[in-house]
Amino acid sequence: ETGVTQSPTHLIKTRGQQVTLRCSSQSGHNTVSWYQQALGQGPQFIFQYYREEENGRGNFPPRFSGLQFPNYSSELNVNALELDDSALYLCASSANDGTYEQYFGPGTRLTVT
Amino acid sequence: AQSVTQLGSHVSVSEGALVLLRCNYSSSVPPYLFWYVQYPNQGLQLLLKYTTGATLVKGINGFEAEFKKSETSFHLTKPSAHMSDAAEYFCAVSDRVNKFYFGSGTKLNVKP
Repeated sequence: ETGVTQSPTHLIKTRGQQVTLRCSSQSGHNTVSWYQQALGQGPQFIFQYYREEENGRGNFPPRFSGLQFPNYSSELNVNALELDDSALYLCASSANDGTYEQYFGPGTRLTVT
Repeated sequence: AQSVTQLGSHVSVSEGALVLLRCNYSSSVPPYLFWYVQYPNQGLQLLLKYTTGATLVKGINGFEAEFKKSETSFHLTKPSAHMSDAAEYFCAVSDRVNKFYFGSGTKLNVKP
């Protein structure tokens, strides 16, 4: 069984640029959630995708967008990067089977300069 | 609305001592509660969860937590700390639909 993988592991971008982060969900999981974890804080829910549709969103602006593909992998896109977007971005997959168990990837560390 | 408060951003214990990490929650629905552990430069790993049923929940690595509705608490304990337990621990509550709300985390240091 393959776990949740994320790419890239680290990324440095300049303010105003755009970035795409990728996540491959665990085998058998059809739901992907994205979180932002700023330094010294807990993860903050960005949004969730279930069967290629957005299925809930946290308090993040529209410049944070996502996609889920037929194989349930997912992308997080952030436009017009700001310095405060610097964080660890975590992807979590789940089976939407009532167990409420989310399995997290190792994250992508984004630094905006 | 759901929220989580973790008391103590840093906790230090000696190896072999009791570990107690505190979590209080607020939830507008009967809560689903979770504890996750995060090692440096890694993602989060599920330690244990409470959804329904028995209020004392046992998890991996000897950890357990007790759901106390009257105190709105879900504290994490381990009878005897091991050096490998040094990590950051996060308590989370679910809205039972799709969102998890995490606390700000507690860093556990284990002294030899």
